[in-house]
Amino acid sequence: AQSVTQPDIHITVSEGASLELRCNYSYGATPYLFWYVQSPGQGLQLLLKYFSGDTLVQGIKGFEAEFKRSQSSFNLRKPSVHWSDAAEYFCAVGAVNRDDKIIFGKGTRLHILP
Amino acid sequence: KAGVTQTPRYLIKTRGQQVTLSCSPISGHRSVSWYQQTPGQGLQFLFEYFSETQRNKGNFPGRFSGRQFSNSRSEMNVSTLELGDSALYLCASSLGSGADTEAFFGQGTRLTVV
Repeated sequence: AQSVTQPDIHITVSEGASLELRCNYSYGATPYLFWYVQSPGQGLQLLLKYFSGDTLVQGIKGFEAEFKRSQSSFNLRKPSVHWSDAAEYFCAVGAVNRDDKIIFGKGTRLHILP
Repeated sequence: KAGVTQTPRYLIKTRGQQVTLSCSPISGHRSVSWYQQTPGQGLQFLFEYFSETQRNKGNFPGRFSGRQFSNSRSEMNVSTLELGDSALYLCASSLGSGADTEAFFGQGTRLTVV
């Protein structure tokens, strides 16, 4: 069965510092992988996605993620965070089999220190 | 173009009542998915509709139902409300069905059951 684990419920970083949010998935075949961000009171916005090809994926707002098949990971990174990046981040996995639904991790809430 | 619109934004209901939530997808999108978001369980998939047909269903009791109209607008209904149904209900629309098509989320309907 598909599953997504985000080990960190909360992460706090200082503004300007680098960021890495962890995501591990479990799936029996090649997955589609996504990162979404949710600001307070808002829906989810897609940051980036991986389907195939280059394992380093660039997204919006300066985020990137790297797919590592050997580690079943898809960690999200940003070299320098801004106060506006404070939000909740969700990793999600979808199946190449188009009939399967997308499964979301439970999210990581990012706090930014001034 | 207009994004995904969910109405109402906020709702307070009493245990035992029923509720109907509405979702208008982005123009041209034929797939609508519904998710329940709670602090403890995160985002959980409810169901997906594509061209008026339910394509996928999550593990929710039969009190949760939905439908999609010919204009792709979707409604979800929860009957005999329980306190545990209090949640943010998110709707997402996409051009096609399947994990490889980007989902665009609405701002959600915050349901409180008292």
